[in-house]
Amino acid sequence: QKEVEQNSGPLSVPEGAIASLNCTYSDRGSQSFFWYRQYSGKSPELIMSIYSNGDKEDGRFTAQLNKASQYVSLLIRDSQPSDSATYLCAVNPGGFKTIFGAGTRLFVKA
Amino acid sequence: NAGVMQNPRHLVRRRGQEARLRCSPMKGHSHVYWYRQLPEEGLKFMVYLQKENIIDESGMPKERFSAEFPKEGPSILRIQQVVRGDSAAYFCASSPQVNEQFFGPGTRLTVL
Repeated sequence: QKEVEQNSGPLSVPEGAIASLNCTYSDRGSQSFFWYRQYSGKSPELIMSIYSNGDKEDGRFTAQLNKASQYVSLLIRDSQPSDSATYLCAVNPGGFKTIFGAGTRLFVKA
Repeated sequence: NAGVMQNPRHLVRRRGQEARLRCSPMKGHSHVYWYRQLPEEGLKFMVYLQKENIIDESGMPKERFSAEFPKEGPSILRIQQVVRGDSAAYFCASSPQVNEQFFGPGTRLTVL
């Protein structure tokens, strides 16, 4: 079992819809969770971090964390074509290393 | 406040040569991480360093690869005797603590 799992996609949504990206992790003791956006040919960009159960909202982005079920999700409201990218889930299981998922490719159709 | 800087952005080497990749962390950040990314794949952790110390190099190949973060100057990822399989994007990230990481633009290494 991979430490951080994401559906590779591609996930395709129409412009204006809600995009829902999911991630599961294996280390139950993990405390820190992150979402990065990576455009093709570019470097990852941190968009959200979440540390406690529940929802965290930042503009059109909402991160959701459920430690009991070991999953973290990212919702993008009012999706725009400029949101088309690969979204990387990252988990710090404690210690120094952050584990990245392989990413989910999102396409937002105009 | 400048972000994480990496150079060169593109590097071409012939098999057997050495590749030297540089990373300057954000001001105030003392934690540096190196990752490798192959096309259409995720980020693979290589090494984590603090000033003058290698903290975790569990993701680094045992041979040909080395990393340092001297007291003065940038962090260096060195690949000796490069092979075609070393061709990838190498990203450096820095953080003020062991938490949120901010990435540099990457170095794209091509081995001919």
